[in-house]
Amino acid sequence: DGGITQSPKYLFRKEGQNVTLSCEQNLNHDAMYWYRQDPGQGLRLIYYSQIVNDFQKGDIAEGYSVSREKKESFPLTVTSAQKNPTAFYLCASRDLGETGELFFGEGSRLTVL
Amino acid sequence: DAKTTQPPSMDCAEGRAANLPCNHSTISGNEYVYWYRQIHSQGPQYIIHGLKNNETNEMASLIITEDRKSSTLILPHATLRDTAVYYCIVRVPYSGGGADGLTFGKGTHLIIQP
Repeated sequence: DGGITQSPKYLFRKEGQNVTLSCEQNLNHDAMYWYRQDPGQGLRLIYYSQIVNDFQKGDIAEGYSVSREKKESFPLTVTSAQKNPTAFYLCASRDLGETGELFFGEGSRLTVL
Repeated sequence: DAKTTQPPSMDCAEGRAANLPCNHSTISGNEYVYWYRQIHSQGPQYIIHGLKNNETNEMASLIITEDRKSSTLILPHATLRDTAVYYCIVRVPYSGGGADGLTFGKGTHLIIQP
């Protein structure tokens, strides 16, 4: 089945450690996105990529880094510079047609102790 | 992209039609209206989108007013599984390059009552 796979689903880390969240899609979508969601809030865009080896900052990129070495993969690293890393992280992808809708993964919940 | 306004929460009885309103009074002529929903602790799911005409698919109907300043998402026979946060978003179609990524506000928490 086609879709987006995020891993791990739950992750606990100590303060000061870098963490990498995985996102893989087999939908052959050009564009991929990372969003952050805090309790009771909407989604905020961290980074997005429209093509391999290129990516752009979203609204809250500070403290995060990404790479796009393959079309199907868009990992997100939460660095120690991110002040409040505990959150629900969502990866999405879409076709770059005019009205291509977003397809989301199931999310990764990161808790920093 | 135009800003949207949605009520924070709504209740609906199981089996009845759920009508979720969205105001987008600053929408421009080429901006589409999208609806997504998010069941607790899951990724959002696309429901439907439209430009001017009313749209219907297997999940829902989208009614857009003639002046396009507001829209209503209709779930015709709500079930308990429709309990979720529903997001209304407006955006221009992607035209290559430039900023990208939909903006999700807080949405409407729809609670279906048994």
